[in-house]
Amino acid sequence: DTAVSQTPKYLVTQMGNDKSIKCEQNLGHDTMYWYKQDSKKFLKIMFSYNNKELIINETVPNRFSPKSPDKAHLNLHINSLELGDSAVYFCASSQVRQSSSGNTIYFGEGSWLTVV
Amino acid sequence: KQEVTQIPAALSVPEGENLVLNCSFTDSAIYNLQWFRQDPGKGLTSLLLIQSSQREQTSGRLNASLDKSSGRSTLYIAASQPGDSATYLCAVDSNYQLIWGAGTKLIIKP
Repeated sequence: DTAVSQTPKYLVTQMGNDKSIKCEQNLGHDTMYWYKQDSKKFLKIMFSYNNKELIINETVPNRFSPKSPDKAHLNLHINSLELGDSAVYFCASSQVRQSSSGNTIYFGEGSWLTVV
Repeated sequence: KQEVTQIPAALSVPEGENLVLNCSFTDSAIYNLQWFRQDPGKGLTSLLLIQSSQREQTSGRLNASLDKSSGRSTLYIAASQPGDSATYLCAVDSNYQLIWGAGTKLIIKP
């Protein structure tokens, strides 16, 4: 029974298209995240939601828009895809927001986005 | 601005050896430091979490140490096995965010 699941796992699309990646967690966690892992393997936070409220919004183009319909879901919508958006996108969740006691973070398996 | 560096970027050792992976960070004001494992095509799995007040944590053959004042952490893997082959990432919890290193790719040769 997967704790953090994201779909699709692989996505190949053309420049200019709009696409969404969905994420769901069944851990009962309050906080969810989207991370981007680039070709050099650096992980960078994009967004973080706590109880459906946006708490972290890093310097990300406004073509990226997160949507959290409820605590268990955090979807990522990307408009007007560009070549530079090609990366692996990871969804994650934790019981509470970072810098809190005993807060292990759980990751999904990643979504490989290739823009051609 | 917090920066996290991991050395070496890649490491290949024969099975059975003990090894050490290094992680350094520039700002000692951290809440905790965490070590993760990433397998190809998979997400990240949490291995160890060391609170800023702690010096080390152990789980099985893994031991992680933290020296906050010098901005360093090490992950010690005892009696390495081929199944330990993966990329190991460290992350510091600082200002409500995890700041990540680029990882050390570890290959254990049978």
